[in-house]
Amino acid sequence: NAGVTQTPKFQVLKTGQSMTLQCAQDMNHEYMSWYRQDPGMGLRLIHYSVGAGITDQGEVPNGYNVSRSTTEDFPLRLLSAAPSQTSVYFCASRTRGGSDTQYFGPGTRLTVL
Amino acid sequence: KNQVEQSPQSLIILEGKNCTLQCNYTVSPFSNLRWYKQDTGRGPVSLTIMTFSENTKSNGRYTATLDADTKQSSLHITASQLSDSASYICVVSALTGTYKYIFGTGTRLKVLA
Repeated sequence: NAGVTQTPKFQVLKTGQSMTLQCAQDMNHEYMSWYRQDPGMGLRLIHYSVGAGITDQGEVPNGYNVSRSTTEDFPLRLLSAAPSQTSVYFCASRTRGGSDTQYFGPGTRLTVL
Repeated sequence: KNQVEQSPQSLIILEGKNCTLQCNYTVSPFSNLRWYKQDTGRGPVSLTIMTFSENTKSNGRYTATLDADTKQSSLHITASQLSDSASYICVVSALTGTYKYIFGTGTRLKVLA
């Protein structure tokens, strides 16, 4: 199993540009999430999905869109990048049970100039 | 307000020494508490998970304890190794319809030879 994979690993954008961060998992997990990690702060939930076709907002959803057309893929779209979106983004997946382990991808480091 | 606080923020120890990291939380309703290890440039990896009824959980040289009455947890690392250099993140789950994860800001541990 590859686990949770993310691409790209690094990205530099100019303000106003759009892009999609890719996330895929091969563990047949129902739950997938996107987090951002900023210095001095805990990981914060952007969006999450409890299954194909079902998504919901986390605590910091503004400026981001998601979709979940398959169990495996959960892309995160930045609509119009802003410097405040400079961060490290992590995708994670887990099974339905709340006590089950959440597996994280390697992260995407995004810089918005 | 649900919060997870970790101490110390950073710690430097010599190889072979033991150390203990602290996590205090105010999360309700409590579901479980996890400790993650995050190497630089990588995603977090689960070390232990404890539910309300569990006082201690071990994973090799890592031992986590939980006092649900005082809402405190600790992660004890025995006979530290250079590879233990990482950030250690405490995460508390709240069951609010769907599971919500509250992340601490982490303790950055550096082990010196």
